[in-house]
Amino acid sequence: DTAVSQTPKYLVTQMGNDKSIKCEQNLGHDTMYWYKQDSKKFLKIMFSYNNKELIINETVPNRFSPKSPDKAHLNLHINSLELGDSAVYFCASSHGENEQFFGPGTRLTVL
Amino acid sequence: QQPVQSPQAVILREGEDAVINCSSSKALYSVHWYRQKHGEAPVFLMILLKGGEQKGHEKISASFNEKKQQSSLYLTASQLSYSGTYFCGTEAGSARQLTFGSGTQLTVLP
Repeated sequence: DTAVSQTPKYLVTQMGNDKSIKCEQNLGHDTMYWYKQDSKKFLKIMFSYNNKELIINETVPNRFSPKSPDKAHLNLHINSLELGDSAVYFCASSHGENEQFFGPGTRLTVL
Repeated sequence: QQPVQSPQAVILREGEDAVINCSSSKALYSVHWYRQKHGEAPVFLMILLKGGEQKGHEKISASFNEKKQQSSLYLTASQLSYSGTYFCGTEAGSARQLTFGSGTQLTVLP
């Protein structure tokens, strides 16, 4: 069974479109995260959710919005996509501040 | 602020040892180490909490020097499977968030 899953694995879209990436974890963790990894492999945290409350919000554009319908899901919505949004987006989860389990990643390409 | 990792890249032969360093300008609460293979997700290796505790995981161990705000990852008798990019992630201050270094690309050759 996959611990942390993301869909889709690949996402190719035009500039200006709105898209969503879904994330689900079946580990019973209370904290979930979204990371962006750019072409230089720099891994940067975007958001984290703990018990359905946003506890970290890095200085990301407000075109990005996380939505957590329940503890097991943290979806990422992106409005008005730009070329610079192209990257691999990883979802992760943890129990508190312990080890984080990463999903397989979603490669977003904005044309 | 992003922790600084060194070296940026290292190439080894099987059986050789390597050390990867991670340093921060901030007082650290903890240091996490992850390994990422090409095209895959980062995988957790270990966490070190302030107190200078050294941890081990098979032939991979790490130390945390709280006073110097530094951590080192030690890979002993490296295997081909150790190849990948190693990231340290640091937690500093009251903000419980991981800030990752730029990574160290490790290549183990037969």
